[in-house]
Amino acid sequence: AQTVTQSQPEMSVQEAETVTLSCTYDTSESDYYLFWYKQPPSRQMILVIRQEAYKQQNATENRFSVNFQKAAKSFSLKISDSQLGDAAMYFCAASNFGNEKLTFGTGTRLTIIP
Amino acid sequence: EPEVTQTPSHQVTQMGQEVILRCVPISNHLYFYWYRQILGQKVEFLVSFYNNEISEKSEIFDDQFSVERPDGSNFTLKIRSTKLEDSAMYFCASRLGTGGTLSSGYTFGSGTRLTVV
Repeated sequence: AQTVTQSQPEMSVQEAETVTLSCTYDTSESDYYLFWYKQPPSRQMILVIRQEAYKQQNATENRFSVNFQKAAKSFSLKISDSQLGDAAMYFCAASNFGNEKLTFGTGTRLTIIP
Repeated sequence: EPEVTQTPSHQVTQMGQEVILRCVPISNHLYFYWYRQILGQKVEFLVSFYNNEISEKSEIFDDQFSVERPDGSNFTLKIRSTKLEDSAMYFCASRLGTGGTLSSGYTFGSGTRLTVV
């Protein structure tokens, strides 16, 4: 079974600054995938970024990047140049190859300070 | 961009009543899912569906729940006799396939907020 842990219930950052959201996970599988989802007040789940565990290179999507530490089972999300529209709940999630249900963490609420 | 469509966006029902939540997945997707999020809590897996049958279900998905893909486009979640604790946001999601396509992640619908009174 997989577990995903987000130890920061809330984070805040000044607009235009950089913030890092933490996520650790546990799995016995060798092939798995990791995701960050954004949930704004509308409560829609929006995929932010994804990482295949077999890839050593950290994924990046514009202002969003991850720091994937496979040995430490850590998958943090860095948001650069934070914008007001980044304010949301952020969920870390994992899925195993071949059993592709998503296991979510408890989320981190990100507030952007103007 | 293709979307997963869920209806209704909000449903209020009396305890003990049956509800059907509807979803239209992306047309060429093969894997379908329902997830639940109780207010203020994390998103939880309910059930996955592939090739017209349930491929996996969680402990939450008891005999009160059922899923169906009646006509090749809709994907429904039925709760037979709702309880107060069924109040939650229900998300439908779909995915194209396995392997490399998994890395594209799921596409989630915008959710149905179910309130049981």
